[in-house]
Amino acid sequence: QQQVRQSSQSLTVWEGETAILNCSYENSAFDYFPWYQQFPGEGPALLIAIRSVSDKKEDGRFTIFFNKREKNLSLHIKDSQPGDSATYFCAASASSGSWQLIFGSGTQLTVMP
Amino acid sequence: AQTIHQWPVAEIKAVGSPLSLGCTIKGKSSPNLYWYWQATGGTLQQLFYSITVGQVESVVQLNLSASRPKDDQFILSTEKLLLSHSGFYLCAWSLGTENERLFFGHGTKLSVL
Repeated sequence: QQQVRQSSQSLTVWEGETAILNCSYENSAFDYFPWYQQFPGEGPALLIAIRSVSDKKEDGRFTIFFNKREKNLSLHIKDSQPGDSATYFCAASASSGSWQLIFGSGTQLTVMP
Repeated sequence: AQTIHQWPVAEIKAVGSPLSLGCTIKGKSSPNLYWYWQATGGTLQQLFYSITVGQVESVVQLNLSASRPKDDQFILSTEKLLLSHSGFYLCAWSLGTENERLFFGHGTKLSVL
């Protein structure tokens, strides 16, 4: 059973559009939700993260919207650029006593010029 | 500045042969260390983590073992490779508390034939 689920395996948008990547989770104990960006042949890098006490986190063109009641969150990438083409992983963990970060299956984003 | 170095960059090994992958972190004392495995095009599965020298916790059993012989070194190994071990192995480190940002290395691509 997948604890962190990303509904789309792939997403294609045009340059300048807003890309929306969705994620849902099962475990109510999860309270930290980072998004990682991975380019082919490289390790993932943290893009932006949110804690469950917040419903929105913004960093430049990247925004996380978080819905605790529905157990879902989304990453919005405004004004998408071809350089944003990468795989995006939603992840989750529980603060208390857990060293495990559970990753979703990833969404491969392609931004067409 | 902290750097993370993984070796080798890539390996092609025969089924049944032994394996040793390494990871070194420079510029950070007493980091938390992690091994992740990623199937081609797949999600990241946490394998092991270590909070201190000589102590390694297993997250999932995949006929692999890990050791932390020095503060800045993390080793992943097995005596007998399986076809299912093929994939991308990523080492990561984090700061002293749980749920903090993971910094990934560039990974080792392993092909088992």
